[in-house]
Amino acid sequence: DAGITQSPRHKVTETGTPVTLRCHQTENHRYMYWYRQDPGHGLRLIHYSYGVKDTDKGEVSDGYSVSRSKTEDFLLTLESATSSQTSVYFCAISERSRATGELFFGEGSRLTVL
Amino acid sequence: QQQVKQSPQSLIVQKGGISIINCAYENTAFDYFPWYQQFPGKGPALLIAIRPDVSEKKEGRFTISFNKSAKQFSLHIMDSQPGDSATYFCAARGNTGNQFYFGTGTSLTVIP
Repeated sequence: DAGITQSPRHKVTETGTPVTLRCHQTENHRYMYWYRQDPGHGLRLIHYSYGVKDTDKGEVSDGYSVSRSKTEDFLLTLESATSSQTSVYFCAISERSRATGELFFGEGSRLTVL
Repeated sequence: QQQVKQSPQSLIVQKGGISIINCAYENTAFDYFPWYQQFPGKGPALLIAIRPDVSEKKEGRFTISFNKSAKQFSLHIMDSQPGDSATYFCAARGNTGNQFYFGTGTSLTVIP
C-alpha cells in the first residue's frame, strides 16, 4: 500500500468552525490531491498540488483552501465549515507518468458538520 | 458540469455473469483512462487503465473497451464473483496539469 496517512479519520464539528485535514505521504510523489466523495457525485477534485507551494483549484474549490509547505504534507482547510461540506474527503498522490500516472488514495476522512 | 459521465448508477448481476459499466467524455485532450474499484470504508484503488491509442486492454477477468471516435469507454467484468461487489469509478486524466476527473460511480452487487 502507498504510504498515505490522513488525519483525522473522523471529525464532527459545528457550522462556522474552522477545520483542517492533513494528508501525509512517504512516497515522495510530486502531485497531491484533495477529493470529496458524495453520493450521486462520485469523486470531485477540490484542490491539487504539483509541488511545494504550487497549488491549483479543482472543480469544487469554493470554501476550501490548501497549503503545501513540504513535499510530504498537504493540508486542506475549511475556514468556516458549512453543512454542505459534510462529506468524505480523500487525499491522493501521483507521479505523472505517460505509462501509468496512477493515483494512490488514502483511507479517507469523514467530516460531519452539524 | 460532469467531465466524465458514467452509467448505470447501480448494477445487480448473478454470479458468473458479465458486468458492464459505461463511461463517456467530451474533452479530447484526455490522455489516460483508469478504472478504480472501491470497497466500503476504503479509498479507491486502481483496477485497470488504458491509453487512447489502444482499443482494448484485458487483465484477467477485467477488460476495458475504448472507442476513441465515440469518446466512450467501458469496463467488462467476466465471470463476475461476489467478491467483485464494490463501487467502480471511471476516470480521465487531462494531458496537462495531471488532473483526474471521475465519473459518478457504479455500485455493483454480484448475487451468489
